Amino acid sequence: DAGVIQSPRHEVTEMGQEVTLRCKPISGHNSLFWYRQTMMRGLELLIYFNNNVPIDDSGMPEDRFSAKMPNASFSTLKIQPSEPRDSAVYFCASSLGQGAQGYTFGSGTRLTVV
Amino acid sequence: AQKVTQAQTEISVVEKEDVTLDCVYETRDTTYYLFWYKQPPSGELVFLIRRNSFDEQNEISGRYSWNFQKSTSSFNFTITASQVVDSAVYFCALSEPGDYKLSFGAGTTVTVRA
Repeated sequence: DAGVIQSPRHEVTEMGQEVTLRCKPISGHNSLFWYRQTMMRGLELLIYFNNNVPIDDSGMPEDRFSAKMPNASFSTLKIQPSEPRDSAVYFCASSLGQGAQGYTFGSGTRLTVV
Repeated sequence: AQKVTQAQTEISVVEKEDVTLDCVYETRDTTYYLFWYKQPPSGELVFLIRRNSFDEQNEISGRYSWNFQKSTSSFNFTITASQVVDSAVYFCALSEPGDYKLSFGAGTTVTVRA
């Protein structure tokens, strides 16, 4: 298995632009998570999907952030409009079950908003 | 409230020294899972170990070992005979039943000097 695949690896965009991050979970995993890592806040959960359904999006910072999982093999995290404070590394992770089986993380997307 | 505390922010050692990373967790559940992840300079999050709360046996994997003590709510990680390639940020994390997310500690940066 290729693991959790995220794209792009790096994204530099101007403030106000729309940014879309993509994730392909491990085949067979039914839980998908989006995490954000910053120096100030560490690793924080943004949203969690189970069987393609968003279960908890309470970690999504504000309405500028949205996430979708149209099928079991693809998810997107969109920021519109982007702001400099959104600069961070965004990780996607997948697991079988609710985390008790372990989480596999993607390589992350380093987002820089200038 | 912080569920996982990694009190050591940074540790610097010389190659071949042993290094122990502390992790203290907080939970009211009797069933839970503890994890360690490694984040090397390349940025990805690498899964190292998952331990359930009913298994207090210490575990050894090569130069890595883990000491789980429920009495002190600790899950410490030791690298024996450290190598330069061990330089990374190490995260301890907790998963509780019914709470799908991983709660991460702040991480400990380990620098191994040649």
